Amino acid sequence: ETGVTQTPRHLVMGMTNKKSLKCEQHLGHNAMYWYKQSAKKPLELMFVYNFKEQTENNSVPSRFSPECPNSSHLFLHLHTLQPEDSALYLCASSQVGRGKGEQYFGPGTRLTVT
Amino acid sequence: DQQVKQNSPSLSVQEGRISILNCDYTNSMFDYFLWYKKYPAEGPTFLISISSIKDKNEDGRFTVFLNKSAKHLSLHIVPSQPGDSAVYFCAAGGGNTGNQFYFGTGTSLTVIP
Repeated sequence: ETGVTQTPRHLVMGMTNKKSLKCEQHLGHNAMYWYKQSAKKPLELMFVYNFKEQTENNSVPSRFSPECPNSSHLFLHLHTLQPEDSALYLCASSQVGRGKGEQYFGPGTRLTVT
Repeated sequence: DQQVKQNSPSLSVQEGRISILNCDYTNSMFDYFLWYKKYPAEGPTFLISISSIKDKNEDGRFTVFLNKSAKHLSLHIVPSQPGDSAVYFCAAGGGNTGNQFYFGTGTSLTVIP
């Protein structure tokens, strides 16, 4: 399944580093999402973009900064992260307005903050 | 506070038998429910969904049942196959939540050959 791709798949970064996660969807969808999955916790929605406009920001710390330059690409810029930010970061896309818009996920980026 | 709960972290079932995965939700405004399947090192993949206007939706070996009065949904897999071994997440949303869905913590299903 190559509908939603994410790079890198694994990332180790120090607390003072700056890095970016990239997501690309090839499904022609108009909404994109960032989720965080920590061990033993439900997927946590971080950001929602509908038609490239951010519509949801679920109280995410400012050290996470999303960017959606077009409806196919989504970035998550990371800086001065904390060890508790180590998690699997999942990107998803959906088609809002057609049906209920099932979300299609990428494989995730496994982030470790040291 | 978790709006979607999967109270069984794991389930083991013999091959050929029925697997039943359960999910409870708290928000009565939810009107669309989904099940996702996740293999290790992959993202969740959409499996089956149900709208609140229905109480059952079937797709091959997979059937989802919705009990709105109990705010409960379940996923039945029959017959279970070893390839069904994965983590299953339920999600709920719609209504007044727009395109935001709330996920459970997942149930790890192991189908024993």
